[in-house]
Amino acid sequence: ETGVTQSPTHLIKTRGQQVTLRCSSQSGHNTVSWYQQALGQGPQFIFQYYREEENGRGNFPPRFSGLQFPNYSSELNVNALELDDSALYLCAISLIQNYGYTFGSGTRLTVV
Amino acid sequence: AQRVTQPEKLLSVFKGAPVELKCNYSYSGSPELFWYVQYSRQRLQLLLRHISRESIKGFTADLNKGETSFHLKKPFAQEEDSAMYYCALSGQAAGNKLTFGGGTRVLVKP
Repeated sequence: ETGVTQSPTHLIKTRGQQVTLRCSSQSGHNTVSWYQQALGQGPQFIFQYYREEENGRGNFPPRFSGLQFPNYSSELNVNALELDDSALYLCAISLIQNYGYTFGSGTRLTVV
Repeated sequence: AQRVTQPEKLLSVFKGAPVELKCNYSYSGSPELFWYVQYSRQRLQLLLRHISRESIKGFTADLNKGETSFHLKKPFAQEEDSAMYYCALSGQAAGNKLTFGGGTRVLVKP
């Protein structure tokens, strides 16, 4: 099974701070996506990277940014944190587009 | 713009009873439809895809393009089916991103 590891699992930040969330996979993949899941809601698409290039973005402001590295790990960066950024952030990888995504367990971010 | 609607927030059924989770979508083009499941304290995982026309854990889902629906069904619910279920769509017109519905919590009572 393709494992997806996200770190950290939990994080508490203060409003206005910056945060970096990480995602890695045990196997190679060419597509990584990030999602935000607020309490009681379905995941919302933030952006997607394909071969280290952003190739899709949801309705999130520019203070949400990301990277995909040659070793297929990925980062989600959020600047100027707001209270509404408190959510579960999910990383998902796909080996074949539209085959389905494999999700990590997520990082629970709390902004106070 | 693509949209996925799951009208039921909670479905409560008794063990052995049938269960149907509704999913309706809007999308311009040919969508790929998925059902994801999240069991308690576990990660979100793919349950089934419409293109594979498979049955997983007794669940099936049929894509009805006329009604733009992709309802998930199981004839005899089991207690271990208690979980959160999300319908999702993807497709080239959507940049291959997944758009999720709000989710339906299924509770199977003994």
